[in-house]
Amino acid sequence: AQTVTQSQPEMSVQEAETVTLSCTYDTSESDYYLFWYKQPPSRQMILVIRQEAYKQQNATENRFSVNFQKAAKSFSLKISDSQLGDAAMYFCAYRSVYMGGGADGLTFGKGTHLIIQP
Amino acid sequence: DAGVTQSPTHLIKTRGQQVTLRCSPISGHKSVSWYQQVLGQGPQFIFQYYEKEERGRGNFPDRFSARQFPNYSSELNVNALLLGDSALYLCASSPQGAHGSPLHFGNGTRLTVT
Repeated sequence: AQTVTQSQPEMSVQEAETVTLSCTYDTSESDYYLFWYKQPPSRQMILVIRQEAYKQQNATENRFSVNFQKAAKSFSLKISDSQLGDAAMYFCAYRSVYMGGGADGLTFGKGTHLIIQP
Repeated sequence: DAGVTQSPTHLIKTRGQQVTLRCSPISGHKSVSWYQQVLGQGPQFIFQYYEKEERGRGNFPDRFSARQFPNYSSELNVNALLLGDSALYLCASSPQGAHGSPLHFGNGTRLTVT
């Protein structure tokens, strides 16, 4: 079974600065998807960024970018020019490309609470 | 366009009771998934339905069941509630059942079992 580990329960960053959230995962599969989701106090999980394992190029969405190291099984999220609205829980998630065997859903890490200091 | 809607928002039940949670996906989305999020943890996968058929099931007991209706809305049922079932239940929809499809989540139903 796949596992996702987020080793930073909480991170704090000054507004306008850059912060990196860490995520490692364990899998024996060669093809899969990785995601970062944001969960503000409103509780709704919002997709931040998606990476396909077969693509070597790191995904980027405006101020959000990832550093995907497939051999190291690492998938960190970098947030540039942090804004107050970025404050939330951030979850790293893994999804297999294979169907069945109970491996159909997203496997989430425990999350990192991101605090933005004004 | 309306997002994923879940009802009710909050619910309080007693141990041993049964509960039904409801989810309406984004218009045009045919896949619905359910997740349980215990306080302080990441969500855990319960079920996925696509075109009214179960496509995946997580490691949850048979007390948990779900179904999807012809209009693609879904219900999650939990029987014989335990204190440990207290959690935020999230519903997510996607246009298709493919695993690369991004999931769109609702705001969840907060279930408290006393």
